[in-house]
Amino acid sequence: NAGVMQNPRHLVRRRGQEARLRCSPMKGHSHVYWYRQLPEEGLKFMVYLQKENIIDESGMPKERFSAEFPKEGPSILRIQQVVRGDSAAYFCASSPPNFDRPSEAFFGQGTRLTVV
Amino acid sequence: GQNIDQPTEMTATEGAIVQINCTYQTSGFNGLFWYQQHAGEAPTFLSYNVLDGLEEKGRFSSFLSRSKGYSYLLLKELQMKDSASYLCAVRDYKLSFGAGTTVTVRA
Repeated sequence: NAGVMQNPRHLVRRRGQEARLRCSPMKGHSHVYWYRQLPEEGLKFMVYLQKENIIDESGMPKERFSAEFPKEGPSILRIQQVVRGDSAAYFCASSPPNFDRPSEAFFGQGTRLTVV
Repeated sequence: GQNIDQPTEMTATEGAIVQINCTYQTSGFNGLFWYQQHAGEAPTFLSYNVLDGLEEKGRFSSFLSRSKGYSYLLLKELQMKDSASYLCAVRDYKLSFGAGTTVTVRA
């Protein structure tokens, strides 16, 4: 039973390029969360998605950032025209439809984005 | 929205006990989680409280008082490998995290 899979683990982009981060949730999980973590800081909520639905995107910057979770395939966090301030670790977590049991939010290993 | 506060750093000696406090103010509440995160790694689940009281899980225990908006994580018999960041998270329908408490265990 594979855990939450994120790829790539490390991503280097030049300023102005696009970054695409992928997250495959655990089997049977239909809810995905994306968090951003800057060095020495906590996890900042970005977006909460169900398949084909954005439930809450209150933590997403208004411009350049978008997320999707299609019916088939992984969830994608897309950052257009990256800037140095986007350099961070981006974590994905998944949970089943009934998020009412402990330990049901499982995290992937994260994608470390470096903008040069 | 959520406002979650925890101390930034704590230091303790191997074999000792450390208590990490977390206070929160939320618009909704459906559980409080504690996660451990080692540097450069993903957070891993430690404990969960939805009702008031103490939950014990081996060397780790967590306490919740909903009326006070307060929780603590208790780490007993500290080991060097317990040096990590400990994250308090509150759930309404999504998990919102505090900034984390970095615990350093000294020999």
